[in-house]
Amino acid sequence: GAVVSQHPSWVICKSGTSVKIECRSLDFQATTMFWYRQFPKQSLMLMATSNEGSKATYEQGVEKDKFLINHASLTLSTLTVTSAHPEDSSFYICSARDKQGGYNEQFFGPGTRLTVL
Amino acid sequence: AQSVTQLDSQVPVFEEAPVELRCNYSSSVSVYLFWYVQYPNQGLQLLLKYLSGSTLVKGINGFEAEFNKSQTSFHLRKPSVHISDTAEYFCAVSDRSSGYSTLTFGKGTMLLVSP
Repeated sequence: GAVVSQHPSWVICKSGTSVKIECRSLDFQATTMFWYRQFPKQSLMLMATSNEGSKATYEQGVEKDKFLINHASLTLSTLTVTSAHPEDSSFYICSARDKQGGYNEQFFGPGTRLTVL
Repeated sequence: AQSVTQLDSQVPVFEEAPVELRCNYSSSVSVYLFWYVQYPNQGLQLLLKYLSGSTLVKGINGFEAEFNKSQTSFHLRKPSVHISDTAEYFCAVSDRSSGYSTLTFGKGTMLLVSP
């Protein structure tokens, strides 16, 4: 199957700093990428959907100015957590698929563990 | 709006015993259904999916699931589990209202296999 990578796999930062997480599709072109957030022992919650070359679509309740998403190329999307605070500590997972609309499987990255001190 | 209910947060079983993980969904339109497995500190791996056709779907690692439209269920089963099946299992739904483009996940079921 297709491979999606995330970098870094874990990060610890101080409160008030910004953190960037990268999501890459390694062997296919991802026209759409998704960003999820997972709290301990809970399900994945979709944060936003990004299509290459256009602005991301955020789910209700997700702050656009806090979670900046950029999908500048067909193989890379980035999530920047700005002015991070301890409540932003979570497991962030991205997924990617290579077709807009209709069904095409989402391939998931391994996740990034963010801890804000 | 689509939603998924996984009634069991945790299912303990002994090795080589059969197991069923329950999943019910809510949607007013046609759906696609999925089961994913997540090992600790890892992303999700697709076990199997139902898009159309036969209601009995076979997946990887010996898992299968049956789509029951009348009961709006998609329970996951395995006739004989291994220690290595210990993981978190998520049921997910995608429906026509979203153009089948987004996934809604259940809260997950932790499968604990003991020797």
